[in-house]
Amino acid sequence: AQKVTQAQTEISVVEKEDVTLDCVYETRDTTYYLFWYKQPPSGELVFLIRRNSFDEQNEISGRYSWNFQKSTSSFNFTITASQVVDSAVYFCALSGENTNAGKSTFGDGTTLTVKP
Amino acid sequence: GAVVSQHPSWVICKSGTSVKIECRSLDFQATTMFWYRQFPKQSLMLMATSNEGSKATYEQGVEKDKFLINHASLTLSTLTVTSAHPEDSSFYICSARDPVSAAHTDTQYFGPGTRLTVL
Repeated sequence: AQKVTQAQTEISVVEKEDVTLDCVYETRDTTYYLFWYKQPPSGELVFLIRRNSFDEQNEISGRYSWNFQKSTSSFNFTITASQVVDSAVYFCALSGENTNAGKSTFGDGTTLTVKP
Repeated sequence: GAVVSQHPSWVICKSGTSVKIECRSLDFQATTMFWYRQFPKQSLMLMATSNEGSKATYEQGVEKDKFLINHASLTLSTLTVTSAHPEDSSFYICSARDPVSAAHTDTQYFGPGTRLTVL
């Protein structure tokens, strides 16, 4: 069975602070994919990043960066110099291979509030 | 990027009625689509996998007779909530898997969601 744990239910920061959202996953698949999504109040999921299990390179995209560590089964997400528009619910998700292909298991989400 | 649409975006219905939600892949053919449900302030939970031309596969605890899924074409899957009750009020989101790009990336595209309110 697949499992994703986002231990932080809510985080509140002041604008321009850096913030890291944690994600820990469990899977028995050899090949798997990790995702981060942003869900604003409108509800529509906004895709942020996808990482496959064979690519442990960290990635930076503007103010966003991701740290994938297979040894600790973690895929953490950092927002640098946060802005009010970053306020949303962020989900980490996992999909696998074979019978788990395409099926995303989501964490419970972290609600990020960025105050001006 | 690929686009997945859902219709309607929101619906209000009376208890006991049935509601149909459509999920369309607009610029690719999706042999597989997925239906998720999200209750307020909760995570997305997979309900079922919709396979074109065959029966849907339901996750444990999801009533297949209540949530009817039809995937009649490569671009359309429908979810019908039969005899809806207030506890079925939720945000329903579909995703479609692009088989071409999914081979190496498991790419899937999410629809914008349908908010169902049952009175």
